[in-house]
Amino acid sequence: QVQLQQWGAGLLKPSETLSLTCAVYGWSFNGYYWSWIRQPPGKGLEWIGEINHTGSTNDNPSLKSRLTISVDTSRKQFSLKLRSVTAADTAVYFCAGESPGSRRYFFDHWGQGTLVTVSS
Amino acid sequence: QSALAQPASVSGSPGQSITISCTGTSSDVGSYSLVSWYQQHPGKAPKLMIFEVNKRPSGVSNRFSGSKSGNTASLTISGLQAEDEADYYCCSKRGANTLRVFGGGTKLTVL
Repeated sequence: QVQLQQWGAGLLKPSETLSLTCAVYGWSFNGYYWSWIRQPPGKGLEWIGEINHTGSTNDNPSLKSRLTISVDTSRKQFSLKLRSVTAADTAVYFCAGESPGSRRYFFDHWGQGTLVTVSS
Repeated sequence: QSALAQPASVSGSPGQSITISCTGTSSDVGSYSLVSWYQQHPGKAPKLMIFEVNKRPSGVSNRFSGSKSGNTASLTISGLQAEDEADYYCCSKRGANTLRVFGGGTKLTVL
């Protein structure tokens, strides 16, 4: 059974860098695609980007210029950095995973979510 | 404005069936059998309920079913129960790359 636990700073000022990390607990890390997804307060979900154990990434074009997703396979962790944040980046951020196999583009494992607030 | 269109709310009485629609375009829902559905209770992480249009993960009740016609996917919940009250989101792959797009979410109220 795979479990995800995430952490990071919850309050940022405009122009700072959002930084979150997600640890994977369970018997497998390789073979999964690991994603970040966010949800502004009272709104819907937005896919941010993904990474696999080789470090291959895919990003949402709307965020690509400010985004870095990285992986540390030795620690079974992956991380999100979003630069130059504004109030529009205020959201609950989730880490999520897609189980190994042929690409099916769903998320069957989720972290608990981290509320990140951007305010001066 | 969300990429996929869902009704803001639906409601039903216990035991009834409801259907939530998810309308996209020929670039996403219409082109790929890669639609998934998520249930989200307040303050919780989403939970996968349906993947690849109509497949259920292990442990998800067979009261949940999915389908697709053209650019519109649908989630049907039969035999409504109080614990089904939640927000539901659809998701689809879009385009030739790996972009995922979500619907705006539908709030299900069990009367």
